[in-house]
Amino acid sequence: NAGVTQTPKFQVLKTGQSMTLQCAQDMNHNSMYWYRQDPGMGLRLIYYSASEGTTDKGEVPNGYNVSRLNKREFSLRLESAAPSQTSVYFCASSEMPSGSTDTQYFGPGTRLTVL
Amino acid sequence: GNSVTQMEGPVTLSEEAFLTINCTYTATGYPSLFWYVQYPGEGLQLLLKATKADDKGSNKGFEATYRKETTSFHLEKGSVQVSDSAVYFCALSTLNYGQNFVFGPGTRLSVLP
Repeated sequence: NAGVTQTPKFQVLKTGQSMTLQCAQDMNHNSMYWYRQDPGMGLRLIYYSASEGTTDKGEVPNGYNVSRLNKREFSLRLESAAPSQTSVYFCASSEMPSGSTDTQYFGPGTRLTVL
Repeated sequence: GNSVTQMEGPVTLSEEAFLTINCTYTATGYPSLFWYVQYPGEGLQLLLKATKADDKGSNKGFEATYRKETTSFHLEKGSVQVSDSAVYFCALSTLNYGQNFVFGPGTRLSVLP
């Protein structure tokens, strides 16, 4: 059982380039999330999808777009990368949307550097 | 809004020492509280959780008690091992749709042999 998988693991971009981070889960979870992790700031929510076909903004959505392709896959796109988007990106999934006892399961992360 | 505060560290301990990582929170309503652990090069893994006041979460020798009166969820372990070296995140989740999880900044723990 793979859980949550992310590709790529590492990426270096130049300012202005675009790229898509891929995420897939095999646990039949309804909800999926994208976070960024920056030193001293914990994880901050970029976008989430409570169910297939729906997406909503999180705390830091500017400069990003997402697509919930199907129940398994949730991609994050940077249209024009900026150095401020240098970060580690984590995808997560959970069975229920915003359930108070719900556990989120995380992928291994993508380390992105924007020069 | 909801928030989580935790000691940022780094925390360095010798093997078999006692560990406490403090976590306090601010939230509307009645949140569930979590501790996640991140080992080097990996994603976050759930360590333990508590869903209501006075609940104690425990796993792998770690414990934390949900204290509503002090809005705290401190992580403890009686005897740490080198393999416990990791970053520990305190987090909360509420029923407020869209709020989802709020994470603390993480505490890096290094355990020396």
